[in-house]
Amino acid sequence: NAGVMQNPRHLVRRRGQEARLRCSPMKGHSHVYWYRQLPEEGLKFMVYLQKENIIDESGMPKERFSAEFPKEGPSILRIQQVVRGDSAAYFCASSPSAGTDTQYFGPGTRLTVL
Amino acid sequence: GENVEQHPSTLSVQEGDSAVIKCTYSDSASNYFPWYKQELGKGPQLIIDIRSNVGEKKDQRIAVTLNKTAKHFSLHITETQPEDSAVYFCAASVIGGGSQGNLIFGKGTKLSVKP
Repeated sequence: NAGVMQNPRHLVRRRGQEARLRCSPMKGHSHVYWYRQLPEEGLKFMVYLQKENIIDESGMPKERFSAEFPKEGPSILRIQQVVRGDSAAYFCASSPSAGTDTQYFGPGTRLTVL
Repeated sequence: GENVEQHPSTLSVQEGDSAVIKCTYSDSASNYFPWYKQELGKGPQLIIDIRSNVGEKKDQRIAVTLNKTAKHFSLHITETQPEDSAVYFCAASVIGGGSQGNLIFGKGTKLSVKP
């Protein structure tokens, strides 16, 4: 059973460009969480999605950031007009159900903004 | 909202010694406490978790204890080995009852095990 997959593993963008981060949950998991990790910091919750629904985006900046989890395909975290402060590792985690089960993390996407 | 404090931020032990990492949380509604191990360049890997209806859980060399009254929980690693060297994160969340299960993480402890 494949684990949580994320791509790309490394992404370099110049200021003002767009970044798209993809997350494929574990087979059978329909709940996806995105977290951001700044250097030397813990992970901070950004957004929680189920298929075709954003359930909680309270941890996501109101501007430039958006997330989706379509009926088919991976979950996508999109950052428009990136700035240097967006440089971080972005992890997604998946769970078979909400609020009852362990979250399993992917390997992360390390975003560098030049 | 929930706040999780983790200590120490760095910990160095000799191979074979024990290591203890402590966390405190603020929200008495939290009832699920996982511990993750993160190696350099990788994602967090769950190593053990505990729910608030038990006070201790053990898995080989790893154990976790929970004191609900004091709102703190600890990770204990015995007979440490060099491959235990990593950053360890504690987390807290509310599970069940329609909750979403968002994890609130501590800032991490960098454990170094010297051969």
